Amino acid sequence: DVKVTQSSRYLVKRTGEKVFLECVQDMDHENMFWYRQDPGLGLRLIYFSYDVKMKEKGDIPEGYSVSREKKERFSLILESASTNQTSMYLCASSSSGTSGRPTDTQYFGPGTRLTVL
Amino acid sequence: DQQVKQNSPSLSVQEGRISILNCDYTNSMFDYFLWYKKYPAEGPTFLISISSIKDKNEDGRFTVFLNKSAKHLSLHIVPSQPGDSAVYFCAAHGTYGGSQGNLIFGKGTKLSVKP
Repeated sequence: DVKVTQSSRYLVKRTGEKVFLECVQDMDHENMFWYRQDPGLGLRLIYFSYDVKMKEKGDIPEGYSVSREKKERFSLILESASTNQTSMYLCASSSSGTSGRPTDTQYFGPGTRLTVL
Repeated sequence: DQQVKQNSPSLSVQEGRISILNCDYTNSMFDYFLWYKKYPAEGPTFLISISSIKDKNEDGRFTVFLNKSAKHLSLHIVPSQPGDSAVYFCAAHGTYGGSQGNLIFGKGTKLSVKP
């Protein structure tokens, strides 16, 4: 069964703190994604990765960085947390299929509700 | 500019009736469309998808219709059940530029099914 796990379900941090959100998938997927979900704004892509040590900016990368040292793990880093980064963070993964092109269905983790005070 | 639009933020339906959730898109290069369902405090789960070469795909109580000329798709749930109450996201995928493999999501429609 497909499994994407995120290190914390709920997290409370203070402004200026460095925050690490971890995501692990056990499906041997090549592609991993970080989104944030905010009311009225839907899911917005922060960063994605198509391979180990590879990363690409999504639609809203400002204030975030990522790390993919191993295929199964994709970390989202908030270098200096700010209150406008209070949000639900969702990690997802997908396979690339035989053609090498990412397949379309993404599998999501349960999310991390981050509050920055 | 929003490429995938869900113009109804919420929808309320009586149990047993049909729920119709709508989605419009602007990019004719999109070739695959998906619906995700999300409960509060959980990640989205894949529900149903449709390729642009089809106009209908059915899976149990869920049917997705695609009208390419109108750039419109809809999700029908029949009969609706209280457990269907969730936020539904429409997503589109296309092979263009540097966005291969990326899904473009709508803002979601919150469905409430009343007993």
